[in-house]
Order: sequence, then structure tokens, then C-alpha cells
Amino acid sequence: AQSVTQLGSHVSVSEGALVLLRCNYSSSVPPYLFWYVQYPNQGLQLLLKYTSAATLVKGINGFEAEFKKSETSFHLTKPSAHMSDAAEYFCAVSDNASWGKLQFGAGTQVVVTP
Amino acid sequence: DAGVIQSPRHEVTEMGQEVTLRCKPISGHDYLFWYRQTMMRGLELLIYFNNNVPIDDSGMPEDRFSAKMPNASFSTLKIQPSEPRDSAVYFCASSLNIGRTDTQYFGPGTRLTVL
Repeated sequence: AQSVTQLGSHVSVSEGALVLLRCNYSSSVPPYLFWYVQYPNQGLQLLLKYTSAATLVKGINGFEAEFKKSETSFHLTKPSAHMSDAAEYFCAVSDNASWGKLQFGAGTQVVVTP
Repeated sequence: DAGVIQSPRHEVTEMGQEVTLRCKPISGHDYLFWYRQTMMRGLELLIYFNNNVPIDDSGMPEDRFSAKMPNASFSTLKIQPSEPRDSAVYFCASSLNIGRTDTQYFGPGTRLTVL
């Protein structure tokens, strides 16, 4: 069965600083990986997804993530944090064996300080 | 498109009462998912439908929970009787296809509090 681990339940970054959110996956078959963002009192919104094409994936709002098979990682980055990036971020995995069902990580709460 | 619509947005009820949560998926989407989000367990998939047919309900916690999809534009998640441990945010999501990489679009959620 596939799973994801997000390192760090809370991350605090200064406005303008690099945002780095870590996600490691476990899957017995090639994975498909997703990052979702949840703003307060809202549903989840897709930021980006890895679909076995390019290993560097660009998403919305200036975020990108790199799939590294050797490290079983799919870390999310943004070069310069903005106050509007304050939210909870979820990494998720699916694969052919799970028939497309998503398995979510525990989430990382991002706080952006002025 | 209006996106996935859920109602009510907030529900407060007393233990033992029946609770019905409603969802309208995005028009044309063939798949509908019900999730539950809690601090302790995170996001859990409860059940999903394909073309109105339940495909996998292995995440439904117990018999007190039931879900239906009578047509392509409406689904319900019912809890009867409700218990305090059912307090959570319940999300509905839909996707065009369950293809491995298809995006799931989430509704705003229903925050359920069982007293």
C-alpha cells in the first residue's frame, strides 16, 4: 500500500524567504504524486501533480516540486513566500494498484511572518 | 462552473440524532468522493462512487454511516445515530475520471459538531 510522510507539521517562514515543504512517499509501484493546499475554512485545491512525465513540476502560485525516485521524495518549494501562502499543505499519492485513490499525508501548516 | 457544492456548511446536533450531509458534484464528473478530516486521523477517504454506483466503501467507519448517490448531480452522507466522535469536517470531491492523475475538486466542506 502506498503512503506519504510529511516532515514537519508546522513551518514558519518570513515573507520573501524560501518555502520548502518535505514529502516522502512509499509505493511498491510507480507513484503519482500531488500537492494540495487548504486555505482556512475552504476545501482542498490542487497545486501541482507529478504524472511520470517531467520530474520538475510547476504549479500554481509560483510553487514547484521535484520528483526524486532515488530519494522517494516530492518536496514542494517556492522561492519567495508571500503572506497569502499561509495555509495548510497536503502531499498525496496514488498509483495504479490503488485504482487512483488518493492517500494524503498529515499536512504541514505554513505560517508567513512579515 | 460553480464547483462542488456542499450543504450545510455547519451542522451542530446532539448525540443520537440523524445527520444528513449533501453534495452536488461538478457537472459531467463521473466520480464522487466523500472524505472526513479530523485532527487525529487527518484526511480519510470514506467512500467513492462511479456513475452513481458505490465502488469502494472500505473507509466507512461503521454501519452508522451510509452514503447514496441517487443521480449524477446529488449525493448524501448519512450518520444515524450520530456520536461525538463523528465530529469532523466532511468533504465531498468529484473528478472527471478516476484516471491515475485526474484532479479531484473539493467542496468547501461541512463542519459537523455532535454534542
